[in-house]
Amino acid sequence: DTGVSQDPRHKITKRGQNVTFRCDPISEHNRLYWYRQTLGQGPEFLTYFQNEAQLEKSRLLSDRFSAERPKGSFSTLEIQRTEQGDSAMYLCASSVDRVGGELFFGEGSRLTVL
Amino acid sequence: GDSVTQMEGPVTLSEEAFLTINCTYTATGYPSLFWYVQYPGEGLQLLLKATKADDKGSNKGFEATYRKETTSFHLEKGSVQVSDSAVYFCALYLMDSNYQLIWGAGTKLIIKP
Repeated sequence: DTGVSQDPRHKITKRGQNVTFRCDPISEHNRLYWYRQTLGQGPEFLTYFQNEAQLEKSRLLSDRFSAERPKGSFSTLEIQRTEQGDSAMYLCASSVDRVGGELFFGEGSRLTVL
Repeated sequence: GDSVTQMEGPVTLSEEAFLTINCTYTATGYPSLFWYVQYPGEGLQLLLKATKADDKGSNKGFEATYRKETTSFHLEKGSVQVSDSAVYFCALYLMDSNYQLIWGAGTKLIIKP
């Protein structure tokens, strides 16, 4: 399967713990996005990479959140000192570098903070 | 600011019924418009798109026409199937937004046999 893959699919953690999600985009895609989705809502933009450069971060991305894409391939999203309000589906998407390029989404990583 | 408004769900229809899911937008520029679909347990998938006024996107029997005068991009299908049950998201994309998509809240569609 050559689609966007995310790992883990589901993470349950206790408040205050750190969690890390990984995203492997489609190999020829140089753009990578992280979104957060809560029940009954559309995805909310978190951050965007073009190759290894993080070009934009949402105000939603507090200092407890950090994302990296060290070699311009896979990306990680780390949440430190998790809070119950962080419980959500974290979506990764990738696209080619052209105007109007379609975003291809992974199946998401669901975080539950107890 | 730029935004997308979709009709609230859930929308419940019988198989073979006609479907319309309304989507209107507010944008300062000239957006591209998209419909994404999320089937149960799966990731978001692009259903169709339109990049300029009067364009019609179509896929899998679904259609939507980009109406600049009414700032709308309503999704339609002539005869729905049980397998169309999913959540449908309308989204817009502005070139000066670092390629972010701005999303509606989604409309859950339930098709009963």
